[in-house]
Amino acid sequence: AQTVTQSQPEMSVQEAETVTLSCTYDTSESDYYLFWYKQPPSRQMILVIRQEAYKQQNATENRFSVNFQKAAKSFSLKISDSQLGDAAMYFCAYRRDSGYALNFGKGTSLLVTP
Amino acid sequence: DAGVIQSPRHEVTEMGQEVTLRCKPISGHDYLFWYRQTMMRGLELLIYFNNNVPIDDSGMPEDRFSAKMPNASFSTLKIQPSEPRDSAVYFCASSLGAPSEAFFGQGTRLTVV
Repeated sequence: AQTVTQSQPEMSVQEAETVTLSCTYDTSESDYYLFWYKQPPSRQMILVIRQEAYKQQNATENRFSVNFQKAAKSFSLKISDSQLGDAAMYFCAYRRDSGYALNFGKGTSLLVTP
Repeated sequence: DAGVIQSPRHEVTEMGQEVTLRCKPISGHDYLFWYRQTMMRGLELLIYFNNNVPIDDSGMPEDRFSAKMPNASFSTLKIQPSEPRDSAVYFCASSLGAPSEAFFGQGTRLTVV
């Protein structure tokens, strides 16, 4: 079974600064998808960014970018110019190419201080 | 589109009672997923459907749990009888096709006392 590990239960960043959230995963597959989801206090799970394993280029969505290291099985999320609204739980998730369910990490709680 | 709609948002029930959680996926989506979120175990897949057919129910914890999808616009997750350890947030999600992103509902917080 594929496992997803987020080694940072909590992280803190000052407003306007940059923070990186870590994620590693274990798989024997060559084709798969990786995601970062955000869960604010409202409980809604919101997709932040996705990465296809066959793409070498790191995905970017505005202030959010990833550092995808396929050989190292690492998928970190960088949030630039952090805003108070970025405070939330962040979940890293993996999905096999041929399977459709997401395997989630345990999450990282991000605190943004003024 | 209104997104994935779950009801109720909160449910408090007594141990031994039957609980039914409801989900309306995004129109046109052909995959529907039920997840459970707890502090101890995080987010776990319970079951998922493709075109209303259950594909993988290996995550359903016990026979007390059952899920149905009678049509493309409605699914239920039933727990009978409920136990305090079933207390969790239950999410429904839907997607269009295999590799696309899953859109989540706002979840149902279930408390069994």
